Amino acid sequence: DAGITQSPRHKVTETGTPVTLRCHQTENHRYMYWYRQDPGHGLRLIHYSYGVKDTDKGEVSDGYSVSRSKTEDFLLTLESATSSQTSVYFCAISESGSANSPLHFGNGTRLTVT
Amino acid sequence: AQRVTQPEKLLSVFKGAPVELKCNYSYSGSPELFWYVQYSRQRLQLLLRHISRESIKGFTADLNKGETSFHLKKPFAQEEDSAMYYCALIKGVGKLVFGKGTKLTVNP
Repeated sequence: DAGITQSPRHKVTETGTPVTLRCHQTENHRYMYWYRQDPGHGLRLIHYSYGVKDTDKGEVSDGYSVSRSKTEDFLLTLESATSSQTSVYFCAISESGSANSPLHFGNGTRLTVT
Repeated sequence: AQRVTQPEKLLSVFKGAPVELKCNYSYSGSPELFWYVQYSRQRLQLLLRHISRESIKGFTADLNKGETSFHLKKPFAQEEDSAMYYCALIKGVGKLVFGKGTKLTVNP
């Protein structure tokens, strides 16, 4: 398995509080991604990064921000958590972002916003 | 717009029966398509990709550009194939667009 660690694995937080999820990789891959997984919606891209300090929005980026100050770490922040952000969050990495370099996923973080 | 459609949310078959998980896509250009699988309480993992034309765990998928489909097939389903299956295509550089997934249950 690719060296991807997500932390925390589970988180319960209250509406309005800030939350940061961490993705750490040991593969030195250039591309990193944050997806959320919801029943009936599949996986949807939140944000992605194509290098240190280089990030871009995905299809469901509202309410989320990201940072990548080091190759190995990609942080996802919910500035003010809402109940609609209750989900399972997956980090993924890719060496080159091409079809020859498929995504490898972390184990996920289950976030509950009460 | 690039889109992946998996019309079946749930699919149930008996062990030893053939199984086909449907995937249709809309994409302008030559698509690069994948199937990912998620077994219970495990991370998503790549099952196969059309550019390599490989067979993994007995599964195959053929890209049909005329029908814009990339259906996943296996001639004889096994109980351990029970999982969530996602079809996906690459949009731009490295951005995977996923379908909503099909939950496959293989009954004994």
